[in-house]
Amino acid sequence: EDQVTQSPEALRLQEGESSSLNCSYTVSGLRGLFWYRQDPGKGPEFLFTLYSAGEEKEKERLKATLTKKESFLHITAPKPEDSATYLCAVKGSGTYKYIFGTGTRLKVLA
Amino acid sequence: KAGVTQTPRYLIKTRGQQVTLSCSPISGHRSVSWYQQTPGQGLQFLFEYFSETQRNKGNFPGRFSGRQFSNSRSEMNVSTLELGDSALYLCASSSGTGTTEAFFGQGTRLTVV
Repeated sequence: EDQVTQSPEALRLQEGESSSLNCSYTVSGLRGLFWYRQDPGKGPEFLFTLYSAGEEKEKERLKATLTKKESFLHITAPKPEDSATYLCAVKGSGTYKYIFGTGTRLKVLA
Repeated sequence: KAGVTQTPRYLIKTRGQQVTLSCSPISGHRSVSWYQQTPGQGLQFLFEYFSETQRNKGNFPGRFSGRQFSNSRSEMNVSTLELGDSALYLCASSSGTGTTEAFFGQGTRLTVV
C-alpha cells in the first residue's frame, strides 16, 4: 500500500537557523513526489514536483531533493514568514490519487 | 489565470442534515479531486473525477458522493451528517494526465453541530 511518512511532526527554528524536513515514502512505481506549503485555514500551496532520484528543485530559501526512498525539503536561513505546515505527497502508477503525509509544522522565531 | 474556487467557504449544519459543496477547477483542467482534512488524520482522499467519470474512490462511507459536470465543475455531497464529518474539505484541480501537480482551492470549513 502506498504510504508517506513525514518527520518531524513539528519543528521550531530561530530565524536564520537552517534545517531539513524529511518525507519517506513507499509507492508502487513513483510517478511524482510533490511538496506543498499550507497556512492555517487555507488550502495547500504547490511548491515543487520531483520525478526521479537525484533530482533537485529550488525556490528562494527552499530546496527539495529526492532519493529512491525519501525526499528532503531543506530550508536555508528561514524567516518568520516561512512558518507553515509543509506537506509531502506521492502519486504512484496505476492510480489517480495523491497520497499525503500528515505534514511538518514549522515555526520560525524572530 | 483564475485559481480553484470552492464555495461556500464556511458551513454550519446540524446532525442528520445533508450538504453540497462546490468546486470550480482551473480553466482547462479536467480532473477534480476531493480531500477531507482533519487535525488528526491529515488529508484523506475522497474521490477523483476526470471528464465526468469517477476514476478513484477513497475509503469513505457511501454517505459521501460526488459528481462532475461537463464544464469540469464538481460537487460533493454528504448525507446524514455526523459530528465526525466536521472538517476542512479541499478540492484539487489538475490536468489529470501524466504526472502533473494538483492545485488546491481554499477549502470549505464544515462544522456539524
